[in-house]
Amino acid sequence: DAGVIQSPRHEVTEMGQEVTLRCKPISGHNSLFWYRQTMMRGLELLIYFNNNVPIDDSGMPEDRFSAKMPNASFSTLKIQPSEPRDSAVYFCASSFIQGHEQYFGPGTRLTVT
Amino acid sequence: GESVGLHLPTLSVQEGDNSIINCAYSNSASDYFIWYKQESGKGPQFIIDIRSNMDKRQGQRVTVLLNKTVKHLSLQIAATQPGDSAVYFCAELHTGNQFYFGTGTSLTVIP
Repeated sequence: DAGVIQSPRHEVTEMGQEVTLRCKPISGHNSLFWYRQTMMRGLELLIYFNNNVPIDDSGMPEDRFSAKMPNASFSTLKIQPSEPRDSAVYFCASSFIQGHEQYFGPGTRLTVT
Repeated sequence: GESVGLHLPTLSVQEGDNSIINCAYSNSASDYFIWYKQESGKGPQFIIDIRSNMDKRQGQRVTVLLNKTVKHLSLQIAATQPGDSAVYFCAELHTGNQFYFGTGTSLTVIP
């Protein structure tokens, strides 16, 4: 298996622009997670899905952030409009069943200027 | 101005020595714990896990110890190698599906 796939690996954009991050979980995994990692705050859970349904989005910073999972093999995290403080590495992770180990993708490094 | 970030604990060990990385967790009700390794520019990678009905679990060159009395978790790496240099995170499972990650410990192996 190729593992969790994320794209793009790097994104540089200007403040105010829309950013869309993409994730393909491991085939057969039923849970998907979006995390953000910064030096200031470490690794933070933004939102997670079980069977394509959002379960907990309490970690989403504000309304500028949204996430979707239209099917079992694809999820997006969108930031609109983006701000410099959104600069971070965004990780997607998936797990086979709830409460089991999560497998992380390589991350997307986002820079908002 | 100067930015303030998380102060990562650091550990430096000589190649071939054993390493011990410690973690204090917060929730006495947590019943599942994982150690992750994160190399520079990569995502966290699963190393080993342990459930609360155990106090020790061994893998290849790694051992995890769980002390529920004091809410403490440790990762022991035997015969540390340069490839072990990374940031190590402990994660505890709270209710449902949500893991909480520690701030991490940076391990540097000196050849």
